[in-house]
Amino acid sequence: GQNIDQPTEMTATEGAIVQINCTYQTSGFNGLFWYQQHAGEAPTFLSYNVLDGLEEKGRFSSFLSRSKGYSYLLLKELQMKDSASYLCAAMDSNYQLIWGAGTKLIIKP
Amino acid sequence: IAGITQAPTSQILAAGRRMTLRCTQDMRHNAMYWYRQDLGLGLRLIHYSNTAGTTGKGEVPDGYSVSRANTDDFPLTLASAVPSQTSVYFCASSDRQGSEPLHFGNGTRLTVT
Repeated sequence: GQNIDQPTEMTATEGAIVQINCTYQTSGFNGLFWYQQHAGEAPTFLSYNVLDGLEEKGRFSSFLSRSKGYSYLLLKELQMKDSASYLCAAMDSNYQLIWGAGTKLIIKP
Repeated sequence: IAGITQAPTSQILAAGRRMTLRCTQDMRHNAMYWYRQDLGLGLRLIHYSNTAGTTGKGEVPDGYSVSRANTDDFPLTLASAVPSQTSVYFCASSDRQGSEPLHFGNGTRLTVT
Protein backbone atom coordinates (compact mmCIF):
# COMPACT_ATOMS: atom_id res chain seq x y z
CA GLY A 1 0.00 0.00 0.00
CA GLN A 2 0.92 3.63 -0.20
CA ASN A 3 1.58 5.66 2.91
CA ILE A 4 3.31 8.66 4.37
CA ASP A 5 4.71 8.86 7.88
CA GLN A 6 5.58 12.04 9.73
CA PRO A 7 5.65 12.91 13.42
CA THR A 8 2.37 14.07 14.90
CA GLU A 9 3.77 16.95 16.89
CA MET A 10 7.06 18.73 17.52
CA THR A 11 8.07 21.56 19.81
CA ALA A 12 10.90 24.02 19.23
CA THR A 13 12.16 27.32 20.59
CA GLU A 14 11.97 30.67 18.86
CA GLY A 15 15.22 31.37 17.01
CA ALA A 16 16.24 27.73 16.86
CA ILE A 17 16.31 25.19 14.00
CA VAL A 18 13.90 22.30 13.58
CA GLN A 19 13.84 19.38 11.14
CA ILE A 20 10.56 17.69 10.27
CA ASN A 21 11.00 14.23 8.77
CA CYS A 22 8.78 12.41 6.31
CA THR A 23 9.07 8.87 4.97
CA TYR A 24 6.99 7.66 2.09
CA GLN A 25 6.06 4.50 0.23
CA THR A 26 4.35 4.99 -3.11
CA SER A 27 3.75 3.13 -6.34
CA GLY A 28 6.22 5.03 -8.45
CA PHE A 29 7.36 8.52 -7.57
CA ASN A 30 6.89 11.89 -9.22
CA GLY A 31 8.03 14.23 -6.52
CA LEU A 32 7.43 15.30 -2.94
CA PHE A 33 5.66 18.42 -1.70
CA TRP A 34 5.65 20.27 1.59
CA TYR A 35 2.76 22.53 2.57
CA GLN A 36 2.21 24.76 5.58
CA GLN A 37 -1.20 24.98 7.21
CA HIS A 38 -2.02 27.43 9.97
CA ALA A 39 -4.88 26.45 12.26
CA GLY A 40 -8.23 27.07 10.61
CA GLU A 41 -6.68 28.03 7.29
CA ALA A 42 -5.92 26.45 3.93
CA PRO A 43 -2.64 24.68 3.17
CA THR A 44 -0.11 26.78 1.29
CA PHE A 45 2.72 25.46 -0.87
CA LEU A 46 6.25 25.52 0.53
CA SER A 47 8.45 23.29 -1.63
CA TYR A 48 8.69 20.59 -4.26
CA ASN A 49 11.54 18.09 -4.66
CA VAL A 50 11.83 15.53 -7.42
CA LEU A 51 15.61 15.06 -7.50
CA ASP A 52 17.85 14.03 -4.62
CA GLY A 53 19.38 16.81 -2.61
CA LEU A 54 18.65 19.98 -0.76
CA GLU A 55 16.51 22.86 -2.03
CA GLU A 56 16.85 26.10 -0.10
CA LYS A 57 14.29 28.90 0.02
CA GLY A 58 15.17 31.52 2.57
CA ARG A 59 14.67 30.16 6.09
CA PHE A 60 13.11 26.96 4.75
CA SER A 61 14.94 24.08 3.07
CA SER A 62 13.69 20.72 1.87
CA PHE A 63 15.72 17.57 1.32
CA LEU A 64 14.94 14.42 -0.64
CA SER A 65 16.51 10.97 -0.81
CA ARG A 66 14.61 8.84 -3.31
CA SER A 67 16.57 5.67 -2.52
CA LYS A 68 15.55 5.94 1.15
CA GLY A 69 12.01 7.18 0.56
CA TYR A 70 12.82 10.05 2.86
CA SER A 71 12.44 13.80 2.97
CA TYR A 72 12.81 16.49 5.56
CA LEU A 73 11.82 20.11 5.93
CA LEU A 74 14.34 22.29 7.75
CA LEU A 75 13.20 25.53 9.32
CA LYS A 76 15.85 27.96 10.52
CA GLU A 77 15.63 31.03 12.76
CA LEU A 78 12.22 29.97 13.96
CA GLN A 79 9.61 32.66 14.44
CA MET A 80 6.36 32.47 16.36
CA LYS A 81 4.47 32.71 13.06
CA ASP A 82 6.01 29.37 12.04
CA SER A 83 3.66 27.66 14.49
CA ALA A 84 1.54 25.60 12.10
CA SER A 85 1.05 22.12 10.73
CA TYR A 86 3.43 20.96 8.03
CA LEU A 87 2.03 18.52 5.49
CA CYS A 88 4.16 16.13 3.48
CA ALA A 89 2.71 14.73 0.24
CA ALA A 90 4.27 12.32 -2.26
CA MET A 91 3.12 12.02 -5.86
CA ASP A 92 2.79 8.50 -7.22
CA SER A 93 3.20 7.20 -10.77
CA ASN A 94 -0.38 8.25 -11.63
CA TYR A 95 0.33 11.81 -10.44
CA GLN A 96 -1.94 11.31 -7.45
CA LEU A 97 -0.87 12.91 -4.17
CA ILE A 98 -0.57 10.76 -1.06
CA TRP A 99 -0.77 12.98 2.02
CA GLY A 100 0.67 12.57 5.47
CA ALA A 101 -1.46 13.50 8.49
CA GLY A 102 0.73 16.52 9.14
CA THR A 103 3.19 17.56 11.84
CA LYS A 104 1.97 20.19 14.27
CA LEU A 105 4.89 22.46 15.11
CA ILE A 106 4.67 24.40 18.35
CA ILE A 107 7.09 27.29 18.80
CA LYS A 108 7.85 28.44 22.33
CA PRO A 109 9.38 31.82 23.19
CA ILE B 1 -7.72 38.99 -5.98
CA ALA B 2 -6.97 35.84 -7.95
CA GLY B 3 -7.61 32.59 -6.20
CA ILE B 4 -10.22 30.05 -5.19
CA THR B 5 -13.47 30.92 -3.50
CA GLN B 6 -15.46 28.36 -1.53
CA ALA B 7 -18.97 28.78 -0.18
CA PRO B 8 -20.35 28.45 2.35
CA THR B 9 -17.62 28.93 4.96
CA SER B 10 -19.45 26.68 7.37
CA GLN B 11 -22.73 24.80 7.48
CA ILE B 12 -24.71 22.66 9.88
CA LEU B 13 -26.81 20.16 7.97
CA ALA B 14 -29.40 17.64 9.06
CA ALA B 15 -28.73 14.04 8.06
CA GLY B 16 -30.52 13.07 4.88
CA ARG B 17 -30.46 16.56 3.41
CA ARG B 18 -28.86 17.44 0.09
CA MET B 19 -26.05 19.98 0.02
CA THR B 20 -23.85 21.53 -2.64
CA LEU B 21 -20.50 23.04 -1.76
CA ARG B 22 -19.44 25.65 -4.23
CA CYS B 23 -15.95 26.25 -5.59
CA THR B 24 -14.88 28.88 -8.11
CA GLN B 25 -11.39 29.75 -9.34
CA ASP B 26 -10.26 32.64 -11.49
CA MET B 27 -6.76 31.46 -12.33
CA ARG B 28 -7.85 29.51 -15.42
CA HIS B 29 -6.36 26.37 -13.96
CA ASN B 30 -7.16 23.17 -15.79
CA ALA B 31 -7.16 20.77 -12.84
CA MET B 32 -9.44 21.01 -9.82
CA TYR B 33 -9.82 18.82 -6.76
CA TRP B 34 -12.02 18.24 -3.73
CA TYR B 35 -10.42 17.03 -0.51
CA ARG B 36 -11.72 16.35 2.95
CA GLN B 37 -9.58 16.86 6.01
CA ASP B 38 -10.28 15.02 9.25
CA LEU B 39 -8.34 15.20 12.50
CA GLY B 40 -5.43 12.77 12.55
CA LEU B 41 -5.75 11.90 8.88
CA GLY B 42 -4.08 13.26 5.80
CA LEU B 43 -6.04 15.09 3.16
CA ARG B 44 -8.15 12.59 1.26
CA LEU B 45 -9.13 13.12 -2.35
CA ILE B 46 -12.85 12.86 -3.04
CA HIS B 47 -13.10 13.74 -6.74
CA TYR B 48 -10.98 15.53 -9.26
CA SER B 49 -11.20 17.04 -12.71
CA ASN B 50 -8.22 17.32 -15.05
CA THR B 51 -10.03 19.62 -17.44
CA ALA B 52 -13.49 21.05 -18.05
CA GLY B 53 -15.96 18.35 -19.02
CA THR B 54 -14.11 15.50 -17.30
CA THR B 55 -14.19 14.21 -13.73
CA GLY B 56 -12.67 11.30 -11.86
CA LYS B 57 -13.04 9.49 -8.56
CA GLY B 58 -10.51 9.89 -5.80
CA GLU B 59 -9.83 7.86 -2.71
CA VAL B 60 -13.20 8.47 -0.94
CA PRO B 61 -15.87 9.25 -3.58
CA ASP B 62 -18.87 7.43 -2.08
CA GLY B 63 -21.74 9.72 -1.19
CA TYR B 64 -20.35 12.61 -3.24
CA SER B 65 -20.74 13.78 -6.81
CA VAL B 66 -19.13 16.56 -8.86
CA SER B 67 -19.54 18.29 -12.18
CA ARG B 68 -17.20 20.45 -14.28
CA ALA B 69 -19.31 22.32 -16.78
CA ASN B 70 -16.67 25.02 -17.28
CA THR B 71 -13.09 25.82 -16.28
CA ASP B 72 -13.93 27.99 -13.29
CA ASP B 73 -16.54 26.05 -11.31
CA PHE B 74 -16.33 22.69 -9.58
CA PRO B 75 -19.27 22.09 -7.21
CA LEU B 76 -19.38 19.14 -4.83
CA THR B 77 -22.78 17.65 -3.98
CA LEU B 78 -23.75 15.45 -1.06
CA ALA B 79 -26.95 13.77 -2.21
CA SER B 80 -28.06 12.60 1.24
CA ALA B 81 -25.74 13.72 4.01
CA VAL B 82 -24.63 11.35 6.77
CA PRO B 83 -22.82 12.18 10.04
CA SER B 84 -19.58 10.57 8.77
CA GLN B 85 -19.42 13.35 6.19
CA THR B 86 -18.77 15.86 8.96
CA SER B 87 -15.42 17.30 7.94
CA VAL B 88 -13.57 20.29 6.54
CA TYR B 89 -13.75 20.32 2.77
CA PHE B 90 -11.07 21.97 0.66
CA CYS B 91 -11.28 22.75 -3.01
CA ALA B 92 -7.95 23.10 -4.83
CA SER B 93 -6.69 23.80 -8.31
CA SER B 94 -3.46 23.51 -10.28
CA ASP B 95 -2.40 24.60 -13.72
CA ARG B 96 -1.97 20.98 -14.73
CA GLN B 97 -1.61 17.63 -13.07
CA GLY B 98 1.94 16.95 -12.01
CA SER B 99 4.60 19.09 -10.42
CA GLU B 100 2.51 22.23 -10.27
CA PRO B 101 1.57 23.08 -6.65
CA LEU B 102 -2.01 23.08 -5.51
CA HIS B 103 -3.80 26.31 -4.66
CA PHE B 104 -6.40 25.77 -1.97
CA GLY B 105 -9.61 27.56 -1.11
CA ASN B 106 -10.28 28.53 2.50
CA GLY B 107 -12.39 25.48 3.15
CA THR B 108 -15.95 24.68 4.16
CA ARG B 109 -16.54 23.33 7.64
CA LEU B 110 -19.52 20.97 7.41
CA THR B 111 -21.30 19.42 10.37
CA VAL B 112 -23.93 16.76 9.70
CA THR B 113 -26.23 16.13 12.66
